[in-house]
Amino acid sequence: GAVVSQHPSRVICKSGTSVKIECRSLDFQATTMFWYRQFPKQSLMLMATSNEGSKATYEQGVEKDKFLINHASLTLSTLTVTSAHPEDSSFYICSARSGGAWATNEKLFFGSGTQLSVL
Amino acid sequence: AQSVAQPEDQVNVAEGNPLTVKCTYSVSGNPYLFWYVQYPNRGLQFLLKYITGDNLVKGSYGFEAEFNKSQTSFHLKKPSALVSDSALYFCAVRDIKSGYNKLIFGAGTRLAVHP
Repeated sequence: GAVVSQHPSRVICKSGTSVKIECRSLDFQATTMFWYRQFPKQSLMLMATSNEGSKATYEQGVEKDKFLINHASLTLSTLTVTSAHPEDSSFYICSARSGGAWATNEKLFFGSGTQLSVL
Repeated sequence: AQSVAQPEDQVNVAEGNPLTVKCTYSVSGNPYLFWYVQYPNRGLQFLLKYITGDNLVKGSYGFEAEFNKSQTSFHLKKPSALVSDSALYFCAVRDIKSGYNKLIFGAGTRLAVHP
């Protein structure tokens, strides 16, 4: 089946530094990718929708200047947490859509997540 | 607004017994419903989805879900639970008002299957 690779799986950084997380679709092209944030024992909260070749669409309350999203190719989207602070510590998950929107073969595939810890 | 509710934080089942993980939804129009499973420190894995057709949907790993329009429910079921089924389960509904077909997830239900 389709695979989405997310890297790194775990990162520890100092407060004030920036961290980049990569999400790759390995065997399909994904025009749309989604970035989620998950707090311990809580559900996934959609942060933004990333579209290849255009600006990301951010959910209400998500700072676009803090969480920079780049979808430069059909197989790669990156999330950069800029000037990270301890409150940014969380589990970040990406997903990539295979197939066209509303197509019968449309599916979402999820990366394995990135645990970010900001000291 | 589209939403899903998972009323149980945790479900405990003995191995070999049937299991049910509950989900109710609130949507305008026809619902597009999904179940995903998450193992510790991992992303989500797709189990099954309902878009149209038969109310009983069969998915991966022996799971199935029953769509009930009158009760606005989409409960996940399995006839005989395995210890390896222990994980976090999410019900989700597609936000049809979103141009990108984003999913709205429930709070999740932790399934614990005991030997």
